[in-house]
Amino acid sequence: QQQVKQSPQSLIVQKGGISIINCAYENTAFDYFPWYQQFPGKGPALLIAIRPDVSEKKEGRFTISFNKSAKQFSLHIMDSQPGDSATYFCAASTQGGSEKLVFGKGTKLTVNP
Amino acid sequence: NAGVTQTPKFQVLKTGQSMTLQCAQDMNHEYMSWYRQDPGMGLRLIHYSVGAGITDQGEVPNGYNVSRSTTEDFPLRLLSAAPSQTSVYFCASRPHRGDNSPLHFGNGTRLTVT
Repeated sequence: QQQVKQSPQSLIVQKGGISIINCAYENTAFDYFPWYQQFPGKGPALLIAIRPDVSEKKEGRFTISFNKSAKQFSLHIMDSQPGDSATYFCAASTQGGSEKLVFGKGTKLTVNP
Repeated sequence: NAGVTQTPKFQVLKTGQSMTLQCAQDMNHEYMSWYRQDPGMGLRLIHYSVGAGITDQGEVPNGYNVSRSTTEDFPLRLLSAAPSQTSVYFCASRPHRGDNSPLHFGNGTRLTVT
C-alpha cells in the first residue's frame, strides 16, 4: 500500500513558468512533510519541509502548500529555471516514527530554455 | 568533512553471489539508513539504525542484512544476490533518531545482478 501518492510522474515546463507537483497521503498521523530534490547521479537532498500547523511555507522560488483537511500537499516552483531540472520526491513521517520516512514515487521535472 | 560516503559506485554480480555495500559518515550522526531506488518506485527503506548496536527493518528488508558496530559505518550485506535486487542503493544519515532534521544522502551504489 502506497502511503504517499505523488503526481505527475513527469512534468515539462518552459523557463519562467510555474511547476506544480502534488502529493496525497492517508495516514493522519503524519506530521512532517519534506520535499527532496535529486540530480542525476546524486543522492536526494532536502529542498523544503512543512509541518501541518501551517498552510504554506516559502523559501525563495519554492513554496509548499498544505491542505490538512484534504490530506494533500504540493510543491510550487515559481519562475522555473533549467537548473531546476531534477527529480522531486515528496515524503512524510510521524514525529514518533521519523526513522521511517516514506517517499512518493517521484516527479521528473524538465525545464526547457 | 566528506559527509556520507558509499562504495563502490558500481557493481555487477551474478545471481547467488554475496557482497557488502559500504557506507560511512563522518558527521557523528546517530541515525543511518539504507534505501533502494527503482524506476517508478521512489525510495524504499530497507533497514535503519538509531545507534551503534541497534538496527531495525524498514519496508523492504528481505534479502538484506545490516549491522552497526560503530557510529561511522553501516554496511549493507546481500547474502545471495537475486536479479530483483538490481537497483540503486542509497545510504542516508541524520543527527538523531526521532527528530526531523534533514537526511544526508550518499551518491549511491548502482548494483546490477545478472
